[in-house]
Order: sequence, then C-alpha cells, then structure tokens
Amino acid sequence: EVQLVESGGGLVQPGGSLRLSCVASGFTFSSYSMNWVRQAPGKGLEWVSYISSSSSTIYYADSVKGRFTISRDNVKNSLYLQMNSLRAEDTAVYYCVRDGWLEYFDYWGQGTLVTVSS
Amino acid sequence: DIQMTQSPSSLSASVGDRVTITCRASQGISNYLVWFQQKPGKAPKSLIYAASSLQSGVPSKFSGSGSGTEFTLTISSLQPEDFATYYCQQYNTYPRTFGQGTKLEIK
Repeated sequence: EVQLVESGGGLVQPGGSLRLSCVASGFTFSSYSMNWVRQAPGKGLEWVSYISSSSSTIYYADSVKGRFTISRDNVKNSLYLQMNSLRAEDTAVYYCVRDGWLEYFDYWGQGTLVTVSS
Repeated sequence: DIQMTQSPSSLSASVGDRVTITCRASQGISNYLVWFQQKPGKAPKSLIYAASSLQSGVPSKFSGSGSGTEFTLTISSLQPEDFATYYCQQYNTYPRTFGQGTKLEIK
C-alpha cells in the first residue's frame, strides 16, 4: 500500500524558516517524481514544487521561487521542502504528492499544517 | 501559465440526481486532465485521469469526457458520500494548475 506521511509543520513567525519532510513507503520511491501541493484554509489547491526521481529536474511556483527548496533522499525514501522567508500567505496545509507513471498526481499524503503568524 | 476555470463554483443537488461539472483550459492540453474529489479535512483523491479514464477502485458512476480545452465530469445517481468539492487539474505542462473547485452540496 502506497503511503506518504508528512511532518514538520507548525507555527512560525513571518520571516522564519521551516523544513517539511515526507516519508514514502509501499513503492519504489527512487523511481517516481514527487511534488508539494498546498491548500490555504478554506481555499483551493496550489502546486508548489516538483522534483524528478533523480533530482535532476526541479520546478517551483513563482510564489515560492527563491524562498523554498525541494530535495529528496532516495536512500531514506524521503522528500523535503525547506521553506525560508515565510510569509502569512504561505499559511496552508502542505501535501506530499506522487507523480504516477502517467504523470498525474496519483497519491497524496494526509498533509501537514504550516501557520505563519506573529 | 495555463488557467483552469471550473463551472459552476457551487452546485446544489439531491440524492439520486445526475450532475455535470465543466472545466475549461486557457489553451489546449490534449487529454492531460485529472479530476479530484476532496472531502473536508482530507487529502484530494483522484477519480478520473487522462480526461476519461477511471482511476482503479473508483465507481463507474463517475465519468469524464473532453479534449483540448473543454472537459466535463459527470456523476450519476448521487449518494450522500458524493457531496464534496471537486477539482480539475491539467498535467500537460508545469506549472501544474488547478481549477478553483466546485462544491457539491445536498439540496
């Protein structure tokens, strides 16, 4: 069974940093591209970042470019999102999402809440 | 970036009804479209991929159609568990973009 378990969310002040983690199980993590998607409270879904299976290709949404860094460790079956210079508008549930073989988002984690507030 | 526009934004329907949600892309995306269902406090779940292919384990009451810029999701014989928010998303290019969502409520 595919499982994606996020952690690392919490309350942080504006301008602060946070590192999210996602541990994958139930599939060969090193064979799949991964993404982070977020959802602000009561709002819709927003794609944040993509990383290919070998980390050779990385994309970011304009809203986080230069502030967030995606990475992965295929030995530890883990995906990360380093978030710096956090703003109130980054407040959201952050989901770890797998890109299936057909390149659509086929499995999602349960999400971790990040709250940016003073 | 490709803009995805869903209509309607909200929809009231009764148990047993059939409903259709529309999603339009600002430029052609072939059939690279997926539909998600999201219930409160839960992660989205994929229903339809490649515009019209049913995700494994999803009941056949859900169906999708379309290609290019116009797509539809149809849900037949609504049951209480189908009342949720539905999103379309294009995966033709990055950045991946979502529709704003359609909230399906019980009348």
